[in-house]
Amino acid sequence: GESVGLHLPTLSVQEGDNSIINCAYSNSASDYFIWYKQESGKGPQFIIDIRSNMDKRQGQRVTVLLNKTVKHLSLQIAATQPGDSAVYFCAENMEAAGNKLTFGGGTRVLVKP
Amino acid sequence: NAGVMQNPRHLVRRRGQEARLRCSPMKGHSHVYWYRQLPEEGLKFMVYLQKENIIDESGMPKERFSAEFPKEGPSILRIQQVVRGDSAAYFCASSPLGFTEAFFGQGTRLTVV
Repeated sequence: GESVGLHLPTLSVQEGDNSIINCAYSNSASDYFIWYKQESGKGPQFIIDIRSNMDKRQGQRVTVLLNKTVKHLSLQIAATQPGDSAVYFCAENMEAAGNKLTFGGGTRVLVKP
Repeated sequence: NAGVMQNPRHLVRRRGQEARLRCSPMKGHSHVYWYRQLPEEGLKFMVYLQKENIIDESGMPKERFSAEFPKEGPSILRIQQVVRGDSAAYFCASSPLGFTEAFFGQGTRLTVV
């Protein structure tokens, strides 16, 4: 289930189940929305992005959904594996702002064997 | 093709000293971004540079912090007279011209004692 920890919300999921990570964004002028995965002690790793004129995009085991009406972004991970344990961040990108990224607060995913 | 290289990985400085963080972008990348991350938080944009130019430094504190990306050599983030509040992980990202995806380095973890 999902719980709010001291700082980062944490999603505990059983290995093999699907994970859904949610993100609310603030800037309706953003051109791209990106999901990053960050493992402990490492830099963010690009997972998937979606352009603002799309509402769904699929990758390998991941799907990103964009709902511009409520400014909501989600990342679905199919058949979650132990290697998926990490902190996941959504980020907004505005091309007019030089492609600098505005990151959300992050969700920690813990995969239970 | 090596990824974005940051050094040092860990840096300890006493209050009042200077910290110099280096970032070598991926080969062929002309855009460099610096971000700061506090524990359990998302990354916060600091500065965006192209070769020999600062494009956007809106996220960088006005005092004590400076950044450069010379024609030759790595990008440098310099923090003068460090204070305990500067302790954080500093990440560099690079991208080629006109490309929205940024690739992150492994970060430099600065500890001010």
